[in-house]
Amino acid sequence: NAGVTQTPKFRVLKTGQSMTLLCAQDMNHEYMYWYRQDPGMGLRLIHYSVGEGTTAKGEVPDGYNVSRLKKQNFLLGLESAAPSQTSVYFCASSYPPWGASNQPQHFGDGTRLSIL
Amino acid sequence: AQTVTQSQPEMSVQEAETVTLSCTYDTSESDYYLFWYKQPPSRQMILVIRQEAYKQQNATENRFSVNFQKAAKSFSLKISDSQLGDAAMYFCAYRAGGGNKLTFGTGTQLKVEL
Repeated sequence: NAGVTQTPKFRVLKTGQSMTLLCAQDMNHEYMYWYRQDPGMGLRLIHYSVGEGTTAKGEVPDGYNVSRLKKQNFLLGLESAAPSQTSVYFCASSYPPWGASNQPQHFGDGTRLSIL
Repeated sequence: AQTVTQSQPEMSVQEAETVTLSCTYDTSESDYYLFWYKQPPSRQMILVIRQEAYKQQNATENRFSVNFQKAAKSFSLKISDSQLGDAAMYFCAYRAGGGNKLTFGTGTQLKVEL
């Protein structure tokens, strides 16, 4: 049972470099999310998607872009990395929140990203 | 905006004892859902327990149970018969009914001692 898979697991970048984090889920979930986790601040929502071809801003979207070209994949891009983006990034997926609204979000194992 | 507050950055418990982690939240919604997630050192986010606001009965999952006080907007997690494997960061999270965003607290680091 793969669930939610994130690649890479670790990455070190220099300031100004770009990169893309990949999230893949095999649960046929409509909704997908990107969070960042910083010490003492819990998880904060960056962007999310409610279906293939859709994206929306979360709580802390600046400096990031996302794309959802396929239902199973949700990509998070950093066009010009900054030290403030050093964090652990989590992807999650879920069924739509209506109907069985207690359905939880399923998380990947996270990507530790360091920007020097 | 909804907020979730976990006022205990760290907690310790002896193995086999019981510990309660606190969580309070602020919302004007009447329909919402509350969750506790566990994050061990492996960094995985693991769902521990969930509670629907419209249910008066407190949720229970084996050794884990909640004390949901809707009027007080309190959602504490009780871990009974604590085990070494329970050592982790615990996050309380809120989602409005029909909403698609989870709001997390800042977490409580639980240590389990022999």
